[in-house]
Amino acid sequence: SQQGEEDPQALSIQEGENATMNCSYKTSINNLQWYRQNSGRGLVHLILIRSNEREKHSGRLRVTLDTSKKSSSLLITASRAADTASYFCATGTYNQGGKLIFGQGTELSVKP
Amino acid sequence: KAGVTQTPRYLIKTRGQQVTLSCSPISGHRSVSWYQQTPGQGLQFLFEYFSETQRNKGNFPGRFSGRQFSNSRSEMNVSTLELGDSALYLCASSPLQGSQETQYFGPGTRLLVL
Repeated sequence: SQQGEEDPQALSIQEGENATMNCSYKTSINNLQWYRQNSGRGLVHLILIRSNEREKHSGRLRVTLDTSKKSSSLLITASRAADTASYFCATGTYNQGGKLIFGQGTELSVKP
Repeated sequence: KAGVTQTPRYLIKTRGQQVTLSCSPISGHRSVSWYQQTPGQGLQFLFEYFSETQRNKGNFPGRFSGRQFSNSRSEMNVSTLELGDSALYLCASSPLQGSQETQYFGPGTRLLVL
């Protein structure tokens, strides 16, 4: 069963707007990672945030983590058409080795 | 550095056959994990290998197996294929074993079972 639930399942915005995706999970985690996938291809790693971190930035990406609410959000600022993809959160836990548990993903469409 | 490579990229098999998929990790990475992605079940963990040993296994039947070689390359095998095994199979590598590491994914092998 999936650990994470992502919200919304689909998001459609105009170029230049910001996109926010949310991820909730069920158990204590070691870290949470966000990935992007274009049209059923491989996953591209975006950012990793550890359980003792609250916020992380990478370029136009901002990730927050609230371990008390077991939730994370990914913000993409000034979206571009090239950001159109599916976005997944994945959690790693201390006793599960390298196993990642993925959410169902958010399908983002950025219209030019 | 070259990324994670997977071969073949596409594969068509018939029910009852078996298939072997290959994954070459990023140079220097010693941990390889495999995932299955389907529209219905999403991304599911199959297994993780480190130093030629399976360290972790997901909830898949015994028809799914894998191995890792001394150069960290990994193969997974699915025997007695079923229609439901049609999926995108992704492998990921990381420098060390454990959940603290970023995992880098390959392009995947798309398997169609007829």
